[in-house]
Amino acid sequence: EIVMTQSPGTLSVSPGERVTLSCRASQSVSRNLAWYRQRPGQAPKLLIYAASTRAPGIPARFSGSGSGTEFTLTISSLQSEDFEVYYCQQYNKWPRVTFGQGTRLENK
Amino acid sequence: QVLLQESGPGLVKPSETLSLTCTVSGDSLNTSPYFWGWFRQPPGKGLEWIGSIYYSGSTDYSPSLKSRVTISLETSRNQFSLKLSSLTAADTAVYFCSRQGYSYGVDYWGQGTLVSVSS
Repeated sequence: EIVMTQSPGTLSVSPGERVTLSCRASQSVSRNLAWYRQRPGQAPKLLIYAASTRAPGIPARFSGSGSGTEFTLTISSLQSEDFEVYYCQQYNKWPRVTFGQGTRLENK
Repeated sequence: QVLLQESGPGLVKPSETLSLTCTVSGDSLNTSPYFWGWFRQPPGKGLEWIGSIYYSGSTDYSPSLKSRVTISLETSRNQFSLKLSSLTAADTAVYFCSRQGYSYGVDYWGQGTLVSVSS
C-alpha cells in the first residue's frame, strides 16, 4: 500500500496569507495525485488532479505542483472560506487510492 | 450534473452485516467508463477507501477489508451497493459513495451517511 504523509497537521494562518501544504508518497505515484478540501459534515470536494490541474470551478488561487513522491498545494491568498481540512490522494493504481491524514487550516 | 445519494440504516448491531445503497442520477452505471466506489471516514478521522466496482461489474477491494466486503451493481435501478459483514465498533463512520475517474481521482461524492455500530 502507498502511504501518503501530509505536513503540517495543522497550520495557523491569517486571511490574505500565502499557504503551502505538503504531501509525500512512500513510493512514486508519477503525477497521479489529487487534492481535496473538506468542510465539517460535508463530502470532500476535488480541487486539483493530475498534480497540477484545477478541477472545474476551482478558483485560480489554488495551484498544485510536484511529481513522483513530493507534492505541494498552494493557496495564493487565503480567503475566509478556505479554513478547512485538505487531503491529498494518490490514484496511481486506480481504483486503489490512499489519502494523507489531512492538513487543517485554522484562523490565527 | 451527477448526483449520488446513499441510503441505509444509521444503526447496526455488532457482528451484523451493513447494507448501503447508492442511487446515481445524471449518469448511467452500465455505460460510463468509471469506477463507482465506497469510502468511509470515522468521526474526527481521515478518509479510507473501501472498494470500487467498474461499469463492467469487475470489483476491487481494500486489502484490509476484502474478506468482509461485497460491492455490486444494480443497473436496472442505476444503483450500486455495499455490504460489510462482521461489524465492530471500529466500523462506525460516515460512509460515502462516489464516482472515480481514471485520471483525476474522485469527481463526485454522495453527501455521506453516518453508520453507528452499537448494541
